[in-house]
Amino acid sequence: GAVVSQHPSRVICKSGTSVKIECRSLDFQATTMFWYRQFPKQSLMLMATSNEGSKATYEQGVEKDKFLINHASLTLSTLTVTSAHPEDSSFYICSAAAQGTQYFGPGTRLLVL
Amino acid sequence: TQLLEQSPQFLSIQEGENLTVYCNSSSVFSSLQWYRQEPGEGPVLLVTVVTGGEVKKLKRLTFQFGDARKDSSLHITAAQPGDTGLYLCAGGRRGGSEKLVFGKGTKLTVNP
Repeated sequence: GAVVSQHPSRVICKSGTSVKIECRSLDFQATTMFWYRQFPKQSLMLMATSNEGSKATYEQGVEKDKFLINHASLTLSTLTVTSAHPEDSSFYICSAAAQGTQYFGPGTRLLVL
Repeated sequence: TQLLEQSPQFLSIQEGENLTVYCNSSSVFSSLQWYRQEPGEGPVLLVTVVTGGEVKKLKRLTFQFGDARKDSSLHITAAQPGDTGLYLCAGGRRGGSEKLVFGKGTKLTVNP
């Protein structure tokens, strides 16, 4: 149980384009999902908290107009990186919360050329 | 800001050795979670501890939550190459947004 999927697992895009990443809780409902960014050999950096049916809460320093988050249902949250630039290249990981525990997706590797 | 200090940051040992990873904070957490992450994958939950003084065992891994719920440790006995990975501790607060505070991680390498 408590399986979280992410799609795509890897994406390469041109600078200036937008990329959407999906996060799904497959066997449970999650009112809260989280989006993280991880740089090589470092820990997770929380970007935003996504609440079903309401606006996401962004961490300090994270541009909400650049990283659009939508949590339309109890099993799906999406992160859209708008007008991506090479510095947005990173490993993006989502998690879904259930009973105080976060279950993580497998991550999405984004490379912006 | 609640901080979790995790140590050591890097650890390279030989197969069969024992090791301990520490997670310390000046703040009290309602729960403490340990994750293991392999390169290119998401973190996988190993254990959640919620009671001060609690000890949980998972095969060769022993997890302990401090009496005051401010610190935790992970002890691995007779480490194996398959234990190689990034170990992350994360603290949670009851009644909050379920947001976790993460330590910086311990990169463990077990050499055969």
